[in-house]
Amino acid sequence: DAKTTQPPSMDCAEGRAANLPCNHSTISGNEYVYWYRQIHSQGPQYIIHGLKNNETNEMASLIITEDRKSSTLILPHATLRDTAVYYCIVRVALTWRAAGNKLTFGGGTRVLVKP
Amino acid sequence: NAGVTQTPKFQVLKTGQSMTLQCAQDMNHEYMSWYRQDPGMGLRLIHYSVGAGITDQGEVPNGYNVSRSTTEDFPLRLLSAAPSQTSVYFCASSRLTRDTQYFGPGTRLTVL
Repeated sequence: DAKTTQPPSMDCAEGRAANLPCNHSTISGNEYVYWYRQIHSQGPQYIIHGLKNNETNEMASLIITEDRKSSTLILPHATLRDTAVYYCIVRVALTWRAAGNKLTFGGGTRVLVKP
Repeated sequence: NAGVTQTPKFQVLKTGQSMTLQCAQDMNHEYMSWYRQDPGMGLRLIHYSVGAGITDQGEVPNGYNVSRSTTEDFPLRLLSAAPSQTSVYFCASSRLTRDTQYFGPGTRLTVL
């Protein structure tokens, strides 16, 4: 799985959009970009994932550059409850039985949403 | 659905003691896994299972055993606890063909 690089921390004002960058310059053609977050003391929570097209769901938007070497997670209207560590993970979307569904977590970005 | 449940929430052990961390899911997921998270760090995979009767090692398997006798349960056994195993342990599950993983609330283990 490709390695990812994220800034260690960032602040965001409540109600504003939070843009979280992730570099994955060694990504392969069959590797997806996943985002999870971990609110303090809780288990990680899935946010969104994508391959090459931009994706949007009820939680966030994912923008992947055309060369797929970087991506940005956008929280459109950050709230205090969005304060968490956000993990960008790149991996193959495995669907065969023996391979499993392993995730490799890096250091993530610690996002602090301020009032 | 209760999702992924873990027991106990907290546990204190003495060096050399053994114990089992319980994990259960009610979503009929084939894939289950155990991670540990040390302070200020990301999660590291200990063991995983792609179905009943099938388990494999992750990144940091030493000192831990697992078994998967049913689809629902995936217990993690510490054979002889060491202070280096003080950590927060998370269990996760997912379908093999849908990648979203669901994590349990974690077990905070302290080994003295």
